[in-house]
Amino acid sequence: DAKTTQPTSMDCAEGRAANLPCNHSTISGNEYVYWYRQIHSQGPQYIIHGLKNNETNEMASLIITEDRKSSTLILPHATLRDTAVYYCIVRVADSGYALNFGKGTSLLVTP
Amino acid sequence: GAVVSQHPSRVICKSGTSVKIECRSLDFQATTMFWYRQFPKQSLMLMATSNEGSKATYEQGVEKDKFLINHASLTLSTLTVTSAHPEDSSFYICSASGGPGRNEQFFGPGTRLTVL
Repeated sequence: DAKTTQPTSMDCAEGRAANLPCNHSTISGNEYVYWYRQIHSQGPQYIIHGLKNNETNEMASLIITEDRKSSTLILPHATLRDTAVYYCIVRVADSGYALNFGKGTSLLVTP
Repeated sequence: GAVVSQHPSRVICKSGTSVKIECRSLDFQATTMFWYRQFPKQSLMLMATSNEGSKATYEQGVEKDKFLINHASLTLSTLTVTSAHPEDSSFYICSASGGPGRNEQFFGPGTRLTVL
């Protein structure tokens, strides 16, 4: 799986959009970008994934650059419950292999 | 979505005892289950991969005789920490695949193990 780079930590005010960047300059053509988050003392939670088109679901939006070397996860209206560590993972879809969690970005949403 | 449960959610045991942690896929058949370990302020580290009906594959540095994994059915995998020591205290998380997306992974809520 390609390596990803994320900022160690970010802050966001409650109600504002949280934009979490991820660099994956060595991504291969058949690798997807996945985002998971882990709230303190809980198991990871799937958020969204995409190949090259932008994706949106009820939790977030995923914007992938045209060259696919970076992406941004957007939480449109962050709440205090969105405080978590966010992991950007690049992998072949449905590979059947374990997920390779990096250090992630610790997002703190403040009142 | 697919649901994965773990039991117990937290356990405290004495040094030298063994502890069993269960991971269940509640609404799908999990052909593969993964066990991760997470120390404080660190990321999840894969311990082993288990496929139903076969022996688990352990990551380098993980002692297979200490961390016994059984995946006897398509809905249950167990991790037994044998002769636990304080350094085994950690957050153990399982994930299962074989569900709606077939190979997408769904995570359990984790088990906090504290060895005194």
